Amino acid sequence: NAGVTQTPKFRVLKTGQSMTLLCAQDMNHEYMYWYRQDPGMGLRLIHYSVGEGTTAKGEVPDGYNVSRLKKQNFLLGLESAAPSQTSVYFCASSYFHGRVMTEAFFGQGTRLTVV
Amino acid sequence: AQSVTQLGSHVSVSEGALVLLRCNYSSSVPPYLFWYVQYPNQGLQLLLKYTSAATLVKGINGFEAEFKKSETSFHLTKPSAHMSDAAEYFCAVSRGSTGFQKLVFGTGTRLLVSP
Repeated sequence: NAGVTQTPKFRVLKTGQSMTLLCAQDMNHEYMYWYRQDPGMGLRLIHYSVGEGTTAKGEVPDGYNVSRLKKQNFLLGLESAAPSQTSVYFCASSYFHGRVMTEAFFGQGTRLTVV
Repeated sequence: AQSVTQLGSHVSVSEGALVLLRCNYSSSVPPYLFWYVQYPNQGLQLLLKYTSAATLVKGINGFEAEFKKSETSFHLTKPSAHMSDAAEYFCAVSRGSTGFQKLVFGTGTRLLVSP
């Protein structure tokens, strides 16, 4: 099993450009998440999804949009990139044990630089 | 709302010495607690988790953590550090109840291991 796969792994954007980060999981998990990781700030939740066709805002959603058209895929879009969005982005997925969400499984990350 | 505090952004130990990484949580309901490890340029990997069963939890690579409700702590320990333990460690908390529960991460502790 591949687990959680993110593409691309690295990207450099110019200010104002747009891009989409793709996350795919093959574990049939219901929940999927996008986090950003910045030095000294841990991981902050951008958006999440509790199932196919649903999305919701996390702690730092501004400047990002998401879609989950298929259960296994969760896309993160930047419509007009800004230098403040330079970060490492992680996708994660999780499952239920009984009716309770357990741990998250993470992708390898996408390192994005906006110049 | 849940939160996590990790004391010390960097911890240095010698190979063979005890590893102690501190995590204190704040939660209004019984929490689920997690420790993740992140090696350079990789995603996060689950070390261990507490989900309201045994208070002493054993994880991978010889790590363990003890849930202490009276101290609201979930410190990570390993009796003897190995060079390969050098990484960044994140404590995370979620509410152990039904429905969507996001993971809230601490800011991380970088473990340095010297020969």
